[in-house]
Amino acid sequence: AQSVAQPEDQVNVAEGNPLTVKCTYSVSGNPYLFWYVQYPNRGLQFLLKYITGDNLVKGSYGFEAEFNKSQTSFHLKKPSALVSDSALYFCAVRDGWGATNKLIFGTGTLLAVQP
Amino acid sequence: DAGVTQSPTHLIKTRGQQVTLRCSPKSGHDTVSWYQQALGQGPQFIFQYYEEEERQRGNFPDRFSGHQFPNYSSELNVNALLLGDSALYLCASSFGTGFGGNSPLHFGNGTRLTVT
Repeated sequence: AQSVAQPEDQVNVAEGNPLTVKCTYSVSGNPYLFWYVQYPNRGLQFLLKYITGDNLVKGSYGFEAEFNKSQTSFHLKKPSALVSDSALYFCAVRDGWGATNKLIFGTGTLLAVQP
Repeated sequence: DAGVTQSPTHLIKTRGQQVTLRCSPKSGHDTVSWYQQALGQGPQFIFQYYEEEERQRGNFPDRFSGHQFPNYSSELNVNALLLGDSALYLCASSFGTGFGGNSPLHFGNGTRLTVT
């Protein structure tokens, strides 16, 4: 069965410092991986995805993620954190193959950026 | 271009009651998926509707049912509400059931259901 794990419940970083939010995956075959962000009392906003191709994926709001097949990881990164980046971040993987966009989500990581 | 819209935004119900949540997909999308997000958890897939039929279903009891209308909008119905049904219910839309064209899922802001 496909799954993703987010090992950190919370990540704290100072504004202006680089940030990393970790995600590892377990799938059979080639994964479709996603990052979403959720602000309080809001739905999920798509940040970026990896389906195939370049291992470094660039997304919205200056975020990027690195796909590492040998470590089965898909960590979210940003070179310089902003206070406004503080939110709940979810990693997700497509569940199944072919014509399905059903996603399995991790438990989320709360990012807190201190001014 | 309207995104995914859900109504109502908040709802309070009593155990044993029934509830209906509504979703209008993003313009140009024809597929609607529903997710349940319990407090402190990631969203969990309930089911997906395409061409007015349920195409996929997650591990949820039959108390959870849905419908899709010809205009692609959708309803989620939950019968015999339990305290454990309290959650944020998210609707997501897409064009088709897969990731053809590399189109991601677009989520609405959700309906917060509280069962007392």
